[in-house]
Amino acid sequence: SAVISQKPSRDICQRGTSLTIQCQVDSQVTMMFWYRQQPGQSLTLIATANQGSEATYESGFVIDKFPISRPNLTFSTLTVSNMSPEDSSIYLCSVGGDRAWNEQFFGPGTRLTVL
Amino acid sequence: AQSVTQLGSHVSVSEGALVLLRCNYSSSVPPYLFWYVQYPNQGLQLLLKYTSAATLVKGINGFEAEFKKSETSFHLTKPSAHMSDAAEYFCAVSEVEYGNKLVFGAGTILRVKS
Repeated sequence: SAVISQKPSRDICQRGTSLTIQCQVDSQVTMMFWYRQQPGQSLTLIATANQGSEATYESGFVIDKFPISRPNLTFSTLTVSNMSPEDSSIYLCSVGGDRAWNEQFFGPGTRLTVL
Repeated sequence: AQSVTQLGSHVSVSEGALVLLRCNYSSSVPPYLFWYVQYPNQGLQLLLKYTSAATLVKGINGFEAEFKKSETSFHLTKPSAHMSDAAEYFCAVSEVEYGNKLVFGAGTILRVKS
């Protein structure tokens, strides 16, 4: 299985600012995903990070609010823009899932608190 | 559309007792099903997955799950709970026709009493 790291592990930010979260994988992967886990809730897929093209966003998530980069097959970033307290969540990246029967492997998550 | 329902947001068992975490899915085609565990302040770890090879799936840490098509269920069990099993457990479904995306249930927090 892939080893996935995320930076930062946690942060406290002021409303109106932006935070960029990094996801690094120890091997080349085709599929990378970004999820949000709001306090006490399950995981919701934000977008699929595509290498060399724009990310594919799920309903309710837009590029202006959550811009994503995927410059190569081992790295991706998620930016949470113009933050509000409602953005306080854990943000997780995952890899794998190249086929529906293949599991995804998750990073440790970034715990974001917006004041 | 695919969806997952986990009955019971919180389950409490005594150490050594049977663990049963319930998961029902809704899918128009044969699904692929997963159980993940999340320990406090950590990411998700795969416990086991169902990919149609066998209806009874064995995973890590003594957990297993049985796929029952007639009941659209994929319940997670462990014969004897250990204190270290205390965590949140998520059931998830994936389908080819939905772009291989994982859809998660709401999660069940397992508490193990000594």
